[in-house]
Amino acid sequence: NAGVTQTPKFQVLKTGQSMTLQCAQDMNHNSMYWYRQDPGMGLRLIYYSASEGTTDKGEVPNGYNVSRLNKREFSLRLESAAPSQTSVYFCASRTGGRQPQHFGDGTRLSIL
Amino acid sequence: GQQVMQIPQYQHVQEGEDFTTYCNSSTTLSNIQWYKQRPGGHPVFLIQLVKSGEVKKQKRLTFQFGEAKKNSSLHITATQTTDVGTYFCSGNNDMRFGAGTRLTVKP
Repeated sequence: NAGVTQTPKFQVLKTGQSMTLQCAQDMNHNSMYWYRQDPGMGLRLIYYSASEGTTDKGEVPNGYNVSRLNKREFSLRLESAAPSQTSVYFCASRTGGRQPQHFGDGTRLSIL
Repeated sequence: GQQVMQIPQYQHVQEGEDFTTYCNSSTTLSNIQWYKQRPGGHPVFLIQLVKSGEVKKQKRLTFQFGEAKKNSSLHITATQTTDVGTYFCSGNNDMRFGAGTRLTVKP
């Protein structure tokens, strides 16, 4: 049981390049989330999907787009990467509001 | 804004000392969840508290939910280097997290 799988684990981009971060969960969870974590900081919610077919903005959505491709997959896209988007990105999922979140290992993204 | 505030932001202890972090809310919470993130790792769920005055233990970790369900604490007895990391709380099934409390332990 893999849980939440994020790809890639590491990526270096140049300013202005685009990229899609992939996330897949095999726990049949309804809700999925994308967070970013800057050095020494807490988790900030970028976007979330409460259920298949829905997506909503979180605390810091600017510069990002998401797609809930199906129940398993929730991708995060950077259309034109900026150095300020250098961060560690975590995907998480849970079956419902009262249940704990399960996190992936993260994607470490550097934008030069 | 955040529903819960967590204090302190940082705590440095000598190995063997106790450690406590607190989560406080201005409103009554239906539940509170605690997570731990090791350096370089991802957050991992520790426990959920639901009942007023609830106390749960996991080895050297003691979790409490206040009688008014507006605050919660995580207490670690006799810290070890394996306790190093950031501890987060989340109340009311909130998908947002605060800055957490970063614990460092000096051997």
